[in-house]
Amino acid sequence: SQKIEQNSEALNIQEGKTATLTCNYTNYSPAYLQWYRQDPGRGPVFLLLIRENEKEKRKERLKVTFDTTLKQSLFHITASQPADSATYLCALASGTGRRALTFGSGTRLQVQP
Amino acid sequence: GAVVSQHPSRVICKSGTSVKIECRSLDFQATTMFWYRQFPKQSLMLMATSNEGSKATYEQGVEKDKFLINHASLTLSTLTVTSAHPEDSSFYICSAREGGSRGNEQFFGPGTRLTVL
Repeated sequence: SQKIEQNSEALNIQEGKTATLTCNYTNYSPAYLQWYRQDPGRGPVFLLLIRENEKEKRKERLKVTFDTTLKQSLFHITASQPADSATYLCALASGTGRRALTFGSGTRLQVQP
Repeated sequence: GAVVSQHPSRVICKSGTSVKIECRSLDFQATTMFWYRQFPKQSLMLMATSNEGSKATYEQGVEKDKFLINHASLTLSTLTVTSAHPEDSSFYICSAREGGSRGNEQFFGPGTRLTVL
């Protein structure tokens, strides 16, 4: 069955360091992958989308890589700030049909000042 | 741009009653809206997909007669939880997809916390 795995343990880092979150998937051939941020009691907020034919995408302090051979995406936040503390979700979608998203369980990031 | 609202943000109801949740795309027309459910410390699980003017497509295990979805216009979709029970208590989140050149992005509402007593 299709499976998306994110590290369920919280990631604790010091302010100013780079946070790296991992998303692995199996039995899935996504057309694109998205990363979202979710704060407690709130809906997810879209961050970045990367397509299957793209290796890397950047947006300000954020960087996403996508390796379809390893079936893995890495999400980096450089120069992390306490305000970056949240749960980060990866989501995959097929390129056809309804394009519904399948979400990973998320990784909680805690940036210590 | 690309704002999605939900109403109400929080609702408490008695077991056996029905609850309606609204999802609106405020500044774009949504060809497709999705409804998700999220239990504590779990990920979002897709419940159903709705396209304007047509019947919703439900995921396996989601009862269509219990979770009624109406997508009456390009900016509004509603989810009605009928005969709610305590196990329906959850965080319900909608998302909207515009289609066209921006079709791959889904924009999420702030969620509705449902508590069934």
